[in-house]
Amino acid sequence: SQTIHQWPATLVQPVGSPLSLECTVEGTSNPNLYWYRQAAGRGLQLLFYSVGIGQISSEVPQNLSASRPQDRQFILSSKKLLLSDSGFYLCAWMGGGNYGYTFGSGTRLTVV
Amino acid sequence: GENVEQHPSTLSVQEGDSAVIKCTYSDSASNYFPWYKQELGKGPQLIIDIRSNVGEKKDQRIAVTLNKTAKHFSLHITETQPEDSAVYFCAATSGNTPLVFGKGTRLSVIA
Repeated sequence: SQTIHQWPATLVQPVGSPLSLECTVEGTSNPNLYWYRQAAGRGLQLLFYSVGIGQISSEVPQNLSASRPQDRQFILSSKKLLLSDSGFYLCAWMGGGNYGYTFGSGTRLTVV
Repeated sequence: GENVEQHPSTLSVQEGDSAVIKCTYSDSASNYFPWYKQELGKGPQLIIDIRSNVGEKKDQRIAVTLNKTAKHFSLHITETQPEDSAVYFCAATSGNTPLVFGKGTRLSVIA
């Protein structure tokens, strides 16, 4: 069966520090991968998505970047975090002929 | 591009009553409409979905209806229970682009 792993679960980082969040999917090949951010009590904002290795589409210009070095690995990065980068970051995948997304358990990032 | 509006933003119901959440979409090419439930501190989970060739779909206490002409779809939860309390999101896509989500509805079921 397919599973999605996202880590870490929580992260507290100082302003100006770098960020690397990782997401991996098991049990499927060539999935579409997505990074969403959710501010407290708010909706889901699509940040990046990827339909294949090395292919990244950015939805919102900001202080973040994404990379897909392997078929089932999606990484969200920042060189210098801002206070406004705080939020709940969710990775998701889609594939196998289904349009529905499966979300990871999320990373709660607090920038201090 | 697609735009999804969701109402209400908050909803409180008594245990055992029904809850209805409504969404509208703008892109007539959209053909897939999932609903997600998000519990506190967790990722959203798909609870039910419907495709544009179907007008209604039911799974136990949960049902979704779709009106393609009016471009709206609704989630119906019957016999609500305290464990139904969560944030619910609707979404839409034509399949060629990422899902576009509504802003969510916080449902509280009062025992």
